[in-house]
Amino acid sequence: ETGVTQSPTHLIKTRGQQVTLRCSSQSGHNTVSWYQQALGQGPQFIFQYYREEENGRGNFPPRFSGLQFPNYSSELNVNALELDDSALYLCASSLQGANSPLHFGNGTRLTVT
Amino acid sequence: AQKITQTQPGMFVQEKEAVTLDCTYDTSDPSYGLFWYKQPSSGEMIFLIYQGSYDQQNATEGRYSLNFQKARKSANLVISASQLGDSAMYFCAMREGPSGTYKYIFGTGTRLKVLA
Repeated sequence: ETGVTQSPTHLIKTRGQQVTLRCSSQSGHNTVSWYQQALGQGPQFIFQYYREEENGRGNFPPRFSGLQFPNYSSELNVNALELDDSALYLCASSLQGANSPLHFGNGTRLTVT
Repeated sequence: AQKITQTQPGMFVQEKEAVTLDCTYDTSDPSYGLFWYKQPSSGEMIFLIYQGSYDQQNATEGRYSLNFQKARKSANLVISASQLGDSAMYFCAMREGPSGTYKYIFGTGTRLKVLA
């Protein structure tokens, strides 16, 4: 069973630039969600995708957008990067069942300078 | 208002002792799920245990058990026989929302240090 993989592991961008982070779901999982984890904080829910459609969103501005592909992999896009966007971005996959836990990737560490 | 509250920023426990990590939650949904995750210094989030709001019995998974007190809206994690490898951040999380539009809310975490 292949786990959740994220790329890249680290990224440095300049304020105002755009970034795309990628995630491959665990085999058999049809739902993917993204989280932002600032240093010393808990993960903050960005959004969730199921069957290629966004079906849940946290309190993040529209410059945070995403995609889910037919093979359930996903992208997180962030436009007009701000310094406060510096964080660990975690992708998690799961099944749609109520008791299905999230399975996380190792994250992408984004630094905005 | 915080939906998930973890009041212990840091905890120490002696190796082989038991430790309880506190978590309280707030939701008006009758159906919800509570999860605990472990995050070692390497950064990965590891699923530990799940409790559904309608589950009658407290969940157990090996050395982990969840002390679920629904009326008090608490879901404390109990780790028995602590090991040095248990040193990590621990996050309590809640899944809420109607089926198909779940949202997950995490607490701020408790850093556990197991002492030899």
